[in-house]
Amino acid sequence: GAVVSQHPSRVICKSGTSVKIECRSLDFQATTMFWYRQFPKQSLMLMATSNEGSKATYEQGVEKDKFLINHASLTLSTLTVTSAHPEDSSFYICSAPSGALQFFGPGTRLTVL
Amino acid sequence: AQSVTQPDIHITVSEGASLELRCNYSYGATPYLFWYVQSPGQGLQLLLKYFSGDTLVQGIKGFEAEFKRSQSSFNLRKPSVHWSDAAEYFCAVGAPFGPMNYGGSQGNLIFGKGTKLSVKP
Repeated sequence: GAVVSQHPSRVICKSGTSVKIECRSLDFQATTMFWYRQFPKQSLMLMATSNEGSKATYEQGVEKDKFLINHASLTLSTLTVTSAHPEDSSFYICSAPSGALQFFGPGTRLTVL
Repeated sequence: AQSVTQPDIHITVSEGASLELRCNYSYGATPYLFWYVQSPGQGLQLLLKYFSGDTLVQGIKGFEAEFKRSQSSFNLRKPSVHWSDAAEYFCAVGAPFGPMNYGGSQGNLIFGKGTKLSVKP
């Protein structure tokens, strides 16, 4: 099946710094990728849809200036959390569709001190 | 409003016992339904899906689920649980295929809050 990777798997940063998370489709191309956020003991919430060659589409309530998304190629989307604060600490998961299904990355655990 | 409800936050079963995880959904149209499993530190893995046709669907690892439209449910079952099944299980609902705007797949999957399964030896 299709494989999606994320890097890094864990990151700890100081408040005020920016963190970049990469999402790659390893064996297929994805013109669209999705970014989700998962709080502890909560469900996954879609943050934004990343579109190759155009601007990302953000869900209501998600700050686009804080969560910068760049879909640089057909196999790579990046999520940059700018000026991170402790409330941004969470588990970030990306996914990419292949055919009728979405394939999920393993997630990135972000901890902001 | 569209939503997915998994009423059980945490379930513990003995190894070898049967399992049923409940999922109810609220959706304005005919939904596509999914069950995913998430192990600690792992990504989401698709167990099974329902798009149309036979309402009893078989998945990987011996799991099955039954779509009951009248009850708006899509419960996950397994006749005999193994210790390796301990994980978090998520039910999700998505839109039917629309225009081919992203490869034919739906984008916004709505997830339930998950059910954590523990397995006693």
